[in-house]
Amino acid sequence: DTVMTQIPLSLSVTPGQPASISCKSSHSLLHSDGKTYLYWYVQKPGQAPQLLMNEVSSRFSGVPDRFSGSGSGTDFTLKISRVEAEDVGIYFCMQGIHPITFGLGTRLEIK
Amino acid sequence: VQLQESGPGLVKPSETLSLSCTVSGGSMSSYYWSWLRQPPGKRMEWIGYIHYSGTTTYNPSLESRVTMSVDTSKNTFSLRLNSVTIADTAVYYCASLNYWGQGILVTVSS
Repeated sequence: DTVMTQIPLSLSVTPGQPASISCKSSHSLLHSDGKTYLYWYVQKPGQAPQLLMNEVSSRFSGVPDRFSGSGSGTDFTLKISRVEAEDVGIYFCMQGIHPITFGLGTRLEIK
Repeated sequence: VQLQESGPGLVKPSETLSLSCTVSGGSMSSYYWSWLRQPPGKRMEWIGYIHYSGTTTYNPSLESRVTMSVDTSKNTFSLRLNSVTIADTAVYYCASLNYWGQGILVTVSS
């Protein structure tokens, strides 16, 4: 199985400042179909997980443009350009090549 | 699309865990429908998914104990996990991976 390693496991950010989360996979997520099956989610307190990014860098419907995803192969990054109070939650990456596996999650809190 | 898990919150060891997921606000023919779980303090684990046609794909680590089914007439899909142990205690989620339910805590205990 592909192991997903997220860094850091927790993050404390001042509102308006940027934040960055790294996700590394033990195998390349570039599929033979040309797509890279890396996704980002956030689980806000008391809510269901929400999809942020499809296939590395495609923002899901309704996701603010302060969120961006980048990377290729085995190294990926989620960036928040200016953190807001509503961004508090646990961010986790997921790889979509069978069997699907997840990162441990990064807890984002506001200073 | 909204999803809602339902089922017992307590299951005895060696028995079968059964959960259902009701889908609203969208067609079940649009996605593959997944079950996932997160044991306390551990990372999310994908259990498997089912297509509306009934085709299933399971996580090899659980495949011998898992059965999924779908009822498109009721907009529901279901999970059965047999021979449960304490290690199966987790919050169980149903999802299309684009959209997730809130999750349901299932505790395995005698």
